Amino acid sequence: QSALTQPASVSGSPGQSITISCTGTSSDIGTYNYVSWYQQNPGKAPKLMIYEVSNRPSGVSNRFSGSKSGNTAFLIISGLQAEDEADYYCRSHTGTAPPWVFGGGTKLTVL
Amino acid sequence: EVQLVESGGGLVQPGESLRLSCAATGFTFSGYWMTWVRQAPGKGLEWVANIRQDGSEKSYVASVRGRFTISRDNAKNSLYLQMNSLRAEDTAVYFCTREEYFALDYWGQGALVTVSS
Repeated sequence: QSALTQPASVSGSPGQSITISCTGTSSDIGTYNYVSWYQQNPGKAPKLMIYEVSNRPSGVSNRFSGSKSGNTAFLIISGLQAEDEADYYCRSHTGTAPPWVFGGGTKLTVL
Repeated sequence: EVQLVESGGGLVQPGESLRLSCAATGFTFSGYWMTWVRQAPGKGLEWVANIRQDGSEKSYVASVRGRFTISRDNAKNSLYLQMNSLRAEDTAVYFCTREEYFALDYWGQGALVTVSS
């Protein structure tokens, strides 16, 4: 099972909106609504930002949202803030072995 | 407050073994799937293994299958990862995580495993 495909980097200015894509196949993202997104700051453990494609855990800013179309999931961050600068990873269920797979990660730079 | 605390990391030589432990507090440990995730230096996250609430079901990424064993002791609220025949490419920070709503909602701080001669 190959890793999900994410852009290596994205950037945006404060106040703007950005979208990070996560592309899989019809066997993972295309079939299951079990896509989650994680934010990781340097030297820290990842933090769950979105689960089941579009649900936000308690305490996560509503500037973060998620969606899915076909075999691709998206993380949208609106009203970009300097504190959003971090690495972002998607994860999906695969329905096969191994049952879960991460994307390669996207580094978000706030200009 | 949910807490996951890993221990047991360190420096080992190729071919040696190491056992990671994860102490869970603040929630009913026996009610959750648990997962190990690793991150090699400067690299992305890699799903390693998970285990069902009662330990009856386990899955592994292909690169560790047959060498690593995930287990749990619900009486001790603890998760384990026995790592045998370690290789240089197993060098990583290993995170203990809890699974909820098909996502990893809580993470430990990580344990560094370095495999080098």
